[in-house]
Amino acid sequence: QQPVQSPQAVILREGEDAVINCSSSKALYSVHWYRQKHGEAPVFLMILLKGGEQKGHEKISASFNEKKQQSSLYLTASQLSYSGTYFCGTVKGLGGGSEKLVFGKGTKLTVNP
Amino acid sequence: DTGVSQNPRHKITKRGQNVTFRCDPISEHNRLYWYRQTLGQGPEFLTYFQNEAQLEKSRLLSDRFSAERPKGSFSTLEIQRTEQGDSAMYLCASSEGRGDTGELFFGEGSRLTVL
Repeated sequence: QQPVQSPQAVILREGEDAVINCSSSKALYSVHWYRQKHGEAPVFLMILLKGGEQKGHEKISASFNEKKQQSSLYLTASQLSYSGTYFCGTVKGLGGGSEKLVFGKGTKLTVNP
Repeated sequence: DTGVSQNPRHKITKRGQNVTFRCDPISEHNRLYWYRQTLGQGPEFLTYFQNEAQLEKSRLLSDRFSAERPKGSFSTLEIQRTEQGDSAMYLCASSEGRGDTGELFFGEGSRLTVL
């Protein structure tokens, strides 16, 4: 079951903040965030694991509400380089089983000068 | 470390032909994943390997698709009797450990166009 991302698109001016949400109808073990620029490969941003562990880049912050099966990615003081499509990928279950990531349809972020 | 390498980068073929894509993961990465991505969509899981063992394959994947990783290093994805619906970007990714708890490193993909 594909996670649902919102919003589908957002346009910001440099320096503004944005929040991208990801929700699932299934109990999740981990939530992964990737950014993909046009014509390029997806690039890892962060992983949030059931139980509270997080791994990722220092400048990126995110949250994972295990009860609601929701995650949010917080982009503060946006820069032009933040432009791209953001995907959340989810792994359902209790961990230790399938390693399959199921990605959402993405949120297109445009940061203008 | 040269990253994940995929070949060919672009492939145009006629419907009914067979195509094969190759992925060279980052050395020492024991996990290798294949995803498919169409315009405006997120990557769609196809299959993944731990070393040479294929651990999971998407139930949505037609029997025309087959993947292997014979020596636990590079992998190939073959599509037989291609259809226009197979047109997509085929992404390969590798990870040092489990993909549900670690970073996936994606290649730049192989774009398939079926005429």
